Amino acid sequence: QQQVKQSPQSLIVQKGGISIINCAYENTAFDYFPWYQQFPGKGPALLIAIRPDVSEKKEGRFTISFNKSAKQFSLHIMDSQPGDSATYFCAASGRNSGANNLFFGTGTRLTVIP
Amino acid sequence: DSGVTQTPKHLITATGQRVTLRCSPRSGDLSVYWYQQSLDQGLQFLIHYYNGEERAKGNILERFSAQQFPDLHSELNLSSLELGDSALYFCASSVVTAGRETQYFGPGTRLLVL
Repeated sequence: QQQVKQSPQSLIVQKGGISIINCAYENTAFDYFPWYQQFPGKGPALLIAIRPDVSEKKEGRFTISFNKSAKQFSLHIMDSQPGDSATYFCAASGRNSGANNLFFGTGTRLTVIP
Repeated sequence: DSGVTQTPKHLITATGQRVTLRCSPRSGDLSVYWYQQSLDQGLQFLIHYYNGEERAKGNILERFSAQQFPDLHSELNLSSLELGDSALYFCASSVVTAGRETQYFGPGTRLLVL
């Protein structure tokens, strides 16, 4: 069963627009929520991460919004650029969920049109 | 570049064969995680080693095994290969910062079983 559910599967955004990717989880033991960016032929690269003690974290054009009560978190990419075109994975881990291994969402393929 | 290296980059083999994938973690990282990425299953955790000891197992088949050596590099052994084992295999090494573990992924090994 998928521990982390991610949507949409694919997303097309105009340059300069806002890209929003959503994730939801069930396991309340999760306490770390990273987002990874993956380009074709490359490994996932950590983009930004959040812990449940804050509701938002911003790093440059990337923002994570976290809603603990709803068990949902989302990635917002402001002023999206063609170079942001990649697959984005949300993930979660927690001390009681099996060491610190990550449970990944199914990924969102983002295409930013110039 | 994450600092995690994996060899080989590509591997083509036949059903029933055995292969070994190699991972060198970032300097100083004691943990190595192995993940499998396939089109139908997404990114799935296989196994975690810390300083030479197995720490956790995920969805790893009995035909697969791994080990971490004293120099901290790790090998993932896949035997009696089946067509369905064709996938990208990633390793990640991790560092603990501010009480939280961050995983850095290697570039992956693309395995094709014919």
